[in-house]
Amino acid sequence: DIVMTQSPHSLAVSLGERATISCKSSQSILNTSKNKNHLVWYQQKPGQPPKLLIYWASTRESGVPDRFSGSGSGTDFTLTISSLQAEDVAVYYCQQYYSTPLTFGGGTKVEIK
Amino acid sequence: QVQLQQSGPGLLKPAQTLSLTCAISGDSVSSSSATWNWIRRSPSRGLEWLGRTYYTSKWGNDYAVSVKSRISINPDTSKNQFSLQLNSVTPEDTAVYFCARGDAVLKCLDVWGQGTTVTVSS
Repeated sequence: DIVMTQSPHSLAVSLGERATISCKSSQSILNTSKNKNHLVWYQQKPGQPPKLLIYWASTRESGVPDRFSGSGSGTDFTLTISSLQAEDVAVYYCQQYYSTPLTFGGGTKVEIK
Repeated sequence: QVQLQQSGPGLLKPAQTLSLTCAISGDSVSSSSATWNWIRRSPSRGLEWLGRTYYTSKWGNDYAVSVKSRISINPDTSKNQFSLQLNSVTPEDTAVYFCARGDAVLKCLDVWGQGTTVTVSS
């Protein structure tokens, strides 16, 4: 199984400041034939299902604000919130979609400082 | 717009069978460009993918090894829905269960059900 490791476990950031979350996979999740990393980011707020933010490591889902960006390739990935807003308080998860079983990172809780 | 609506009981006793249904609107369970997944979230395990069903000229399934001996995910084409059955539940199966559509092209879980809290307790 591909193990996904997120850090930090929690993060407190001032409004308007940058938040950065790291995600590492235990093996490469780059599909070399398509040059696509099968890495997905989700946002989950209390009492709600996870919401798709980013797929292919860096492609924003329609309707997701451009303050959210994803980067990285191979085994190392990053989610950046460029200017934290109050509505961004949530738990963020990375997930690999490269092979089954699909696996998730442990989550990063983002709060306001 | 694709929507998933979950239904099923939320309280079970140990050794019983967990049965949940996910009704699909705006897409077809027989779509060859989608997979139909079950995921759960618990404090001890975080988000855990349980398995999926999909149709590509014939029906197929993939299951997580941790539940493979106890799980069954089945499509119901007449009702355009899919179901989860998990046998012989224990308190460790207490979790919030979600159904989700997997986009086979974008390689992500792009639509999720609302979630069902399942508690296993004697």
